[in-house]
Amino acid sequence: NAGVTQTPKFQVLKTGQSMTLQCAQDMNHEYMSWYRQDPGMGLRLIHYSVGAGITDQGEVPNGYNVSRSTTEDFPLRLLSAAPSQTSVYFCATSVLSGSPETQYFGPGTRLLVL
Amino acid sequence: SQQGEEDPQALSIQEGENATMNCSYKTSINNLQWYRQNSGRGLVHLILIRSNEREKHSGRLRVTLDTSKKSSSLLITASRAADTASYFCATAFQWMNTGFQKLVFGTGTRLLVSP
Repeated sequence: NAGVTQTPKFQVLKTGQSMTLQCAQDMNHEYMSWYRQDPGMGLRLIHYSVGAGITDQGEVPNGYNVSRSTTEDFPLRLLSAAPSQTSVYFCATSVLSGSPETQYFGPGTRLLVL
Repeated sequence: SQQGEEDPQALSIQEGENATMNCSYKTSINNLQWYRQNSGRGLVHLILIRSNEREKHSGRLRVTLDTSKKSSSLLITASRAADTASYFCATAFQWMNTGFQKLVFGTGTRLLVSP
């Protein structure tokens, strides 16, 4: 089992460019989420999904879109990258959709927006 | 902000010593979790304590929870150099009017254990 995988590991974008961060899991978990981690800020929830076809906004959703067409994949799209989106992005999954207990994190994607 | 806060922000100790880090939060919770993050890596779940529990142990880890003070502590006994990492508490609470329980992470404690 690969667990939670994220690609790419590192990306540099120019302001205004778009890109998709990929997240895949092979644990058949219902719940998936995206966080961003900034120095001194801890992790902040961007978007989450409680199952295929169901997504919702977290604390900091502006500038990001998500979709969940399958249980396994939960891509995060940056529509028009801004320097404020420079961060480390983590995808996480959990086995219980209504009550996130233990969350399993991917290795992260480090994004730099110039 | 509902975010929790850990203190200290950084802690430096010698191998064999105990490390204690604290977490405070603001809202009623369903459970509180501690995670470890090694440099450049994702977070790894360490231990979960429910709101009706006061203390929990797992190997060299001991977690306490005081819901009246909205605080928790993580104790690592007989620390090792491999324990060097950042440690985050995360509180789970009801998210708005949904049936979804959200995790809110604190800002973390950076622990350095020297040989």
